[in-house]
Amino acid sequence: GAGVSQSPRYKVAKRGQDVALRCDPISGHVSLFWYQQALGQGPEFLTYFQNEAQLDKSGLPSDRFFAERPEGSVSTLKIQRTQQEDSAVYLCASSRTRGTEAFFGQGTRLTVV
Amino acid sequence: AQSVTQPDIHITVSEGASLELRCNYSYGATPYLFWYVQSPGQGLQLLLKYFSGDTLVQGIKGFEAEFKRSQSSFNLRKPSVHWSDAAEYFCAVGDYKLSFGAGTTVTVRA
Repeated sequence: GAGVSQSPRYKVAKRGQDVALRCDPISGHVSLFWYQQALGQGPEFLTYFQNEAQLDKSGLPSDRFFAERPEGSVSTLKIQRTQQEDSAVYLCASSRTRGTEAFFGQGTRLTVV
Repeated sequence: AQSVTQPDIHITVSEGASLELRCNYSYGATPYLFWYVQSPGQGLQLLLKYFSGDTLVQGIKGFEAEFKRSQSSFNLRKPSVHWSDAAEYFCAVGDYKLSFGAGTTVTVRA
């Protein structure tokens, strides 16, 4: 596609519910990133993939957060047993290779009630 | 550890006036530096980046930034602001893993 696509754009989850957020990167982009952006803050790094390999997951805030990219293209960020503090915009970005310009999707706004 | 500080939370500027947004960074090696813009409900768009070489970097939409190693700064400038420049601006540092500042909201008054 022309850009990074994320779905859904908005998600409301009840506390304790599991959610899955999808990211379709730009075709052919090797690197894929997930960021979390709380209200009024800058994005914070969650995790990084090179193809299907998750090379850095140092930013995942707890073991309730899990990301995968099984075929090296589409990625899913899963949050188990959602908590109110998980409410944020989740941004996905992709780049041609590591160290080149990253293109961001519009994000998924998650609200946990 | 890498980090970014954007000292100004909110700046109001008149249309046609000049704009400067401040950014200070902390990074262990030669930094890769970026400025992104985010409009409401939109993703981040890259304005410009610095990897090496000329310390004055030109970007899109008439923006430029100057890297000053001695001051650990990477300030963004635009000589004449347009109403469409109203947005949130983020400075970031890193190679593959970016650390972002908290952002500066720019309001443009007619």
